[in-house]
Amino acid sequence: DIQMTQSPSTLSASVGDRVTITCRASQSISSWLAWYQQKPGKAPRLLIYKASNLVSGVPTRFSGSGSGTEFTLTISSLQPDDFATYYCQKYSTYSWTFGQGTKVDIK
Amino acid sequence: EPQLVESGGGLVQPGGSLKLSCAASGFTFSTYTLTWVRQAPGKGLEWVSTITVGGTTYYVDSVKGRFIVSRDNSQNTVFLQMNSLRAEDTALYYCAKDLTPQWEFDAFDIWGQGTMVTVSS
Repeated sequence: DIQMTQSPSTLSASVGDRVTITCRASQSISSWLAWYQQKPGKAPRLLIYKASNLVSGVPTRFSGSGSGTEFTLTISSLQPDDFATYYCQKYSTYSWTFGQGTKVDIK
Repeated sequence: EPQLVESGGGLVQPGGSLKLSCAASGFTFSTYTLTWVRQAPGKGLEWVSTITVGGTTYYVDSVKGRFIVSRDNSQNTVFLQMNSLRAEDTALYYCAKDLTPQWEFDAFDIWGQGTMVTVSS
């Protein structure tokens, strides 16, 4: 099975900071990667699909990049509403696997 | 507006059974793959099971042989029959729909609010 590993597990940042979260796959998944944001007590929200495609309505400060085994989610200027946990997810053939999550909290 | 609403969660003893339902509205249910994802208290997201438009089913290894996913397109509802429940199945169970119609392997753009399953004696 393909494993998804996110780093860091926790990230402390300030409003206005540029934030980057990394997700690595144990083998190539082409660009079949999504990023989700989850706030406490809420369902996950899809931010990015196919590694770099921004979902309609998601602020443009969010961006995704990468292919193969290494991917990044970047928030260009962190806003108060962005403090949350972020998950990557691979969705290639026959299985869907999430990373363990990265919690972005206030520095 | 597309919406998913889960129900059926509750407290069940180890070895017991429970059937979850997820009612959909606001989109053409029969054209989308549907998935169950769970989240144990304080933990991350775990994919559980998927049912495609054509009825093909997929399961995470830990629930194979114990859980059964099904769909009723006439009721716009997807189900998760959970048997031989274990303490480690305790989680909030979400249903989610695929982003793209007719695809089998896709990101999930709409999620329900979840239904809590607690397995304990």
